[in-house]
Amino acid sequence: RKEVEQDPGPFNVPEGATVAFNCTYSNSASQSFFWYRQDCRKEPKLLMSVYSSGNEDGRFTAQLNRASQYISLLIRDSKLSDSATYLCVVENTGGFKTIFGAGTRLFVKA
Amino acid sequence: GAVVSQHPSWVICKSGTSVKIECRSLDFQATTMFWYRQFPKQSLMLMATSNEGSKATYEQGVEKDKFLINHASLTLSTLTVTSAHPEDSSFYICSAREPLGSQPYFGPGTRLTVL
Repeated sequence: RKEVEQDPGPFNVPEGATVAFNCTYSNSASQSFFWYRQDCRKEPKLLMSVYSSGNEDGRFTAQLNRASQYISLLIRDSKLSDSATYLCVVENTGGFKTIFGAGTRLFVKA
Repeated sequence: GAVVSQHPSWVICKSGTSVKIECRSLDFQATTMFWYRQFPKQSLMLMATSNEGSKATYEQGVEKDKFLINHASLTLSTLTVTSAHPEDSSFYICSAREPLGSQPYFGPGTRLTVL
C-alpha cells in the first residue's frame, strides 16, 4: 500500500464548478500535511497547509481527519487558472521526510 | 519566503557520462535536503535524504552508487548521476526546510535528458 494515496484523475470541470480532492495516508504518526500545486514541467508550489481544525484560503478549503487519516481539498468557483496537478503531501516525524501522493490532474474548461 | 535554487535547470548528455546537479538554500541553512525524481505524468518520488556532514539516506530501490549525494555545507547539496543512461532521463527536484520553518521549499528542478 502506498504511503499517500489520492483520487485518480483527471477531473474535467466547467468554470465555476466546485471540485473536491481526497487523500489518505498510512502512517498514523505523520505530523504535517499540505496541498501543493504543480504546473506542467514546474516544481511544486505550496497551496496550503492542512490543520485538524480545517482552514480556508479564499476559494480553497482544506480539511484533515486524523482518526480516519484522511485529507481533503475543496475548490469553489473553479477558474481556468486552477488547471494543474494537485499533490497531497504528508510529512513524517523525525527528519521531516516528505511523501507525495501521485497527484490529481484538474482541467477547468470554459 | 525561503528560496531554493538548482543548477543546471536542464542538461543533455551522452550515455555513460556523469552529471552533477546542485541544490542551494539561498537565504537559510538546511541541515537536511531531499532529492526527488519525477517521470512524465507521475508524481515525485523521494530518492534520498541528504544530511549535512554525514552520509545520505537512500530510499528502497535507489542505487546509492548510481546517485551520489554530497551535502558538504549547510547551504549546498549535490546529486551526481554516475554513468547516466537514457532511463535516468527525468526531472530531478530538491527540497529543503528552514530549521523552524512551516513547510518544505522546492527548487525549480533540473530536467536531465540522456541520449
